[in-house]
Amino acid sequence: ETGVTQTPRHLVMGMTNKKSLKCEQHLGHNAMYWYKQSAKKPLELMFVYNFKEQTENNSVPSRFSPECPNSSHLFLHLHTLQPEDSALYLCASSQDLGSSRGYTFGSGTRLTVV
Amino acid sequence: GDSVTQMEGPVTLSEEAFLTINCTYTATGYPSLFWYVQYPGEGLQLLLKATKADDKGSNKGFEATYRKETTSFHLEKGSVQVSDSAVYFCALTKNYGGSQGNLIFGKGTKLSVKP
Repeated sequence: ETGVTQTPRHLVMGMTNKKSLKCEQHLGHNAMYWYKQSAKKPLELMFVYNFKEQTENNSVPSRFSPECPNSSHLFLHLHTLQPEDSALYLCASSQDLGSSRGYTFGSGTRLTVV
Repeated sequence: GDSVTQMEGPVTLSEEAFLTINCTYTATGYPSLFWYVQYPGEGLQLLLKATKADDKGSNKGFEATYRKETTSFHLEKGSVQVSDSAVYFCALTKNYGGSQGNLIFGKGTKLSVKP
């Protein structure tokens, strides 16, 4: 148990589908993040939320839409994705932005777009 | 901008060998430094950290010392085990002066330990 739970663990979707990834933490953290991990590429920060407010959108295409209804939950809504969007999507949380305590990561959702 | 550079992998070692994974960083000010580990099929786990110069982080036999003079945070372990096979990420963060305080990662180094 890492403290950050992501569902589903695996997802296969067609390019015309709409799906959502869910992330949940009960660590009392105030900041939450979405990262994308592709094969042979560095970890890419996608979105940052601090106290439910989005503080950064790292030039992510609009087919990815984040939602943070409260400090414990973070969603990533997906629609009309491309095959190159297939990757491991990691959620993380931290006490505060840039906390020196580090981030806690979930196990990720392995997304395959067909 | 701020960045982290790790040695290229993969690194293949025999059990009980000595491990060093090099990491250097570029950042203004005083970042906090981290090593994360990712086991196959899993997310990232914090392995160790150091928040100021000359601090040594340690966990599970792994160590790394924050060297400001060489801007380095090399990961070491005296005797690796097969169970240490994973991908290791060096990272930095800072949160001051209006910075978003994002965690900046190196590209990762894959370690394979053979029995």
